[in-house]
Amino acid sequence: GQSLEQPSEVTAVEGAIVQINCTYQTSGFYGLSWYQQHDGGAPTFLSYNALDGLEETGRFSSFLSRSDSYGYLLLQELQMKDSASYFCAVQYNFNKFYFGSGTKLNVKP
Amino acid sequence: DVKVTQSSRYLVKRTGEKVFLECVQDMDHENMFWYRQDPGLGLRLIYFSYDVKMKEKGDIPEGYSVSREKKERFSLILESASTNQTSMYLCASNPSGTGKTGELFFGEGSRLTVL
Repeated sequence: GQSLEQPSEVTAVEGAIVQINCTYQTSGFYGLSWYQQHDGGAPTFLSYNALDGLEETGRFSSFLSRSDSYGYLLLQELQMKDSASYFCAVQYNFNKFYFGSGTKLNVKP
Repeated sequence: DVKVTQSSRYLVKRTGEKVFLECVQDMDHENMFWYRQDPGLGLRLIYFSYDVKMKEKGDIPEGYSVSREKKERFSLILESASTNQTSMYLCASNPSGTGKTGELFFGEGSRLTVL
């Protein structure tokens, strides 16, 4: 089966940098995705890594190490609106996606 | 923009009722998914479909069935609703082609309460 581990909660101050880690166990790995979800809203896609290395999209970056079964999401220049839950998800067997239980990010002024 | 539309944002049903949750996407995506989301448990896959009339069980299919008669529409059916099916249900879609296979497009969710 699949398993994912990510911290349940992280707190950081506005303007800081925060890293949310994700470790996974799966067979048939294709890639690792990250989603943001505000309270009451739908998850929205942030980033996807299929290959090792760093992907940068504005203030957000995502990293993958396939050999370590590990990835992280890096959020820079934190803003209050970044307060949300962040989910990592493994894509396996091409068209299946398994989600972690999510990390609640609290951004404080 | 891709749009995934779920027919009902909030539903209240009674135990034993048959419940239909409808989902429509407008981007000709091959794959469609039904997840349920519960606090502390993340998103858990109930069923997914990779083509019309094709379906596969996810991690928690018990008590649910699905129907995909047209490419754009994927329905989740609770044959006899129970209180432990009270949850947020999320529909998602994505294409099978290269490039965007890692991205799921979600609907706004349907919050179901079973009394």
